[in-house]
Amino acid sequence: ILNVEQSPQSLHVQEGDSTNFTCSFPSSNFYALHWYRWETAKSPEALFVMTLNGDEKKKGRISATLNTKEGYSYLYIKGSQPEDSATYLCAFASSNTGKLIFGQGTTLQVKP
Amino acid sequence: DTEVTQTPKHLVMGMTNKKSLKCEQHMGHRAMYWYKQKAKKPPELMFVYSYEKLSINESVPSRFSPECPNSSLLNLHLHALQPEDSALYLCASSQDRLTGTQYFGPGTRLLVL
Repeated sequence: ILNVEQSPQSLHVQEGDSTNFTCSFPSSNFYALHWYRWETAKSPEALFVMTLNGDEKKKGRISATLNTKEGYSYLYIKGSQPEDSATYLCAFASSNTGKLIFGQGTTLQVKP
Repeated sequence: DTEVTQTPKHLVMGMTNKKSLKCEQHMGHRAMYWYKQKAKKPPELMFVYSYEKLSINESVPSRFSPECPNSSLLNLHLHALQPEDSALYLCASSQDRLTGTQYFGPGTRLLVL
C-alpha cells in the first residue's frame, strides 16, 4: 500500500504570515508529485507538477520544492492572504501504475 | 478552455434507483478518471479510461458502471447503491494517462437513502 502523508492536517494563520506544509511520499517508483489547491464548492486546481529531484516551482506567492531521494515536498506560501484559504492536496504518481495517490490534505485558514 | 464539467451538482437517490453521473471535457484529453471522495479523506481512484478504453478498475463494485461514449464524455451509471456510497464523485481528465496534470470537475455530491 502506497502512503502519502501530509502535515499538518490544518493550519490557522493571520493575514501576512508565511506558512509551509509537508507532503511525504514513497521514495521508490517515483514518477511525479502534484500539488492541488481545493477551495470549498470548487474544482481542485492544479498548482504544480514536479518530476525532478531538486525541482523548485513558483507561482506568485506560492512555491514548492521536491526531494525524491528522501520522499518529501514542501509547499510555501509567502504573505498569506484570506483568498489562500483552501485545502492543499499533494498527489504521488507512481512510475509503476501512473495512478495518482492523494494525501489527506492540509486545510489552511487565513484570518484577515 | 481548461474546464471539466459535471452534472448533476447534487443527487439524492434511493437504493433501488438507477441514475447516471456525467462528465465532459473539450481539451482534447485522452485520459479520463472517476474518483470518490468521502468527508475528510483523500480522493480515491475508481476508474481510468485511456483513449476511450477502460484501463484501470480499482476493484470497484459492479453497482458502479463506467462508460466512455467518446473522447469528450465520461459517464458513471449507478444502480442499487448503498448508503455508504454517499460521497463526492469527482471526474478528471489529462493529456494522457501517464503524464501531465489532471484537471478536475467540481464533483457530484451523491446521497443514497
